[in-house]
Amino acid sequence: DIQMTQSPSSLSASVGDRVTITCRASQSISRYLNWYQQKPGKAPKLLIYAADSLQSGVPSRFSGSGSGTDFTLTFSSLQLEDFATYYCQQSHSYPFTFGQGTKLEI
Amino acid sequence: EVQLLESGGSLVQPGESLRLSCAASGYVFGSCAMSWVRQGPGKGLEWVSSISKSGDITYYTNSVKGRFTISRDNSKNTLFLQMNSLRAEDTALYYCTKDCGNWHQHDFWGQGTLVTVSS
Repeated sequence: DIQMTQSPSSLSASVGDRVTITCRASQSISRYLNWYQQKPGKAPKLLIYAADSLQSGVPSRFSGSGSGTDFTLTFSSLQLEDFATYYCQQSHSYPFTFGQGTKLEI
Repeated sequence: EVQLLESGGSLVQPGESLRLSCAASGYVFGSCAMSWVRQGPGKGLEWVSSISKSGDITYYTNSVKGRFTISRDNSKNTLFLQMNSLRAEDTALYYCTKDCGNWHQHDFWGQGTLVTVSS
């Protein structure tokens, strides 16, 4: 199985900050990397798919990059509603696997 | 408006069975693959199973192989997860997702149904 490792596990930041979260795969997954946002008590929401494609309706302050084994999710300017937990997921090979999550806190 | 409505979750004892359902609306159900993803209490996300558009191809995470069966009824716009020989570690909120893209992304999630396995 492909292991996904996110860093950091938690991050404190402020509104307006530029923030980057990283995700590393244990083997190459091309660009089959997705990012999800989950707020407390809510279902996850797709933000980015195929490493750098913005899901419809997601604000442009979110961006993704990377290919192969190393990927990033970047917030150009954090907004209050962005404080949540973020998960990466590889969809290159079954079983699909998620990272352990990054909790973004104020 | 796309909607995925899961049902069937409950409290069961170890070794018992449960069948989850996910009723889909707002899109052409048979045009998308579907998946189940679960989240244990206070834990991260875990992909459980996926099924192709027509239902002829299925995939499972190792820990549920031989115990869980994913299926779909495209005439009724419904996804199922038959769970047998349940274990305490299957306790989780089970989400139904639709996977319409070419990159197998879970582009929409239901609100989940809670399965608790405890004696």
